[in-house]
Amino acid sequence: AQSVTQPDIHITVSEGASLELRCNYSYGATPYLFWYVQSPGQGLQLLLKYFSGDTLVQGIKGFEAEFKRSQSSFNLRKPSVHWSDAAEYFCAVGERRRGFKTIFGAGTRLFVKA
Amino acid sequence: DVKVTQSSRYLVKRTGEKVFLECVQDMDHENMFWYRQDPGLGLRLIYFSYDVKMKEKGDIPEGYSVSREKKERFSLILESASTNQTSMYLCASSRDYNSPLHFGNGTRLTVT
Repeated sequence: AQSVTQPDIHITVSEGASLELRCNYSYGATPYLFWYVQSPGQGLQLLLKYFSGDTLVQGIKGFEAEFKRSQSSFNLRKPSVHWSDAAEYFCAVGERRRGFKTIFGAGTRLFVKA
Repeated sequence: DVKVTQSSRYLVKRTGEKVFLECVQDMDHENMFWYRQDPGLGLRLIYFSYDVKMKEKGDIPEGYSVSREKKERFSLILESASTNQTSMYLCASSRDYNSPLHFGNGTRLTVT
């Protein structure tokens, strides 16, 4: 069965510093991978997705993620964090089947300090 | 823009009550999902539906059922609410396998 692991429950980063959030997945075939963000009191919003092709994908708000099949990873990065990036980030893996089931990781909460 | 609407933002119910959580989407999406979100556990899939009257169990279906009589509406039913079902419930929809999920704002259910 597919699964997603986000090893860091929370991370604190200084404003302007770079960010990397880790995500490892378990899935037998080529995965469909996503990163979502949930700001306080808000619904989940898609940041970016990977289905195939270029393993480095660009998303909204200056985020990018790199798919590494050999490491079963899909880490999220941002070169310079803004205070407004403080939120909870979820990695997710989807499978192509009836209904396209999507499984989420436990999430990483990002704190940004001035 | 896709709109996924959950009928209640907050609900308080008593143990043993039957609870209905309603979700409506306005973009003719084939797929609809119910998740629950708990701190430290992320989002866990309860049930999903890929067509009218079709449903499949997710990872934690026990204690829940669903109904999809119309394409735009997907209901989550707690047959006999228990305190361990106190949680945030999120509904989502998607057009197909290579489309992202669109989420509602959630229903925070408290069972006392």
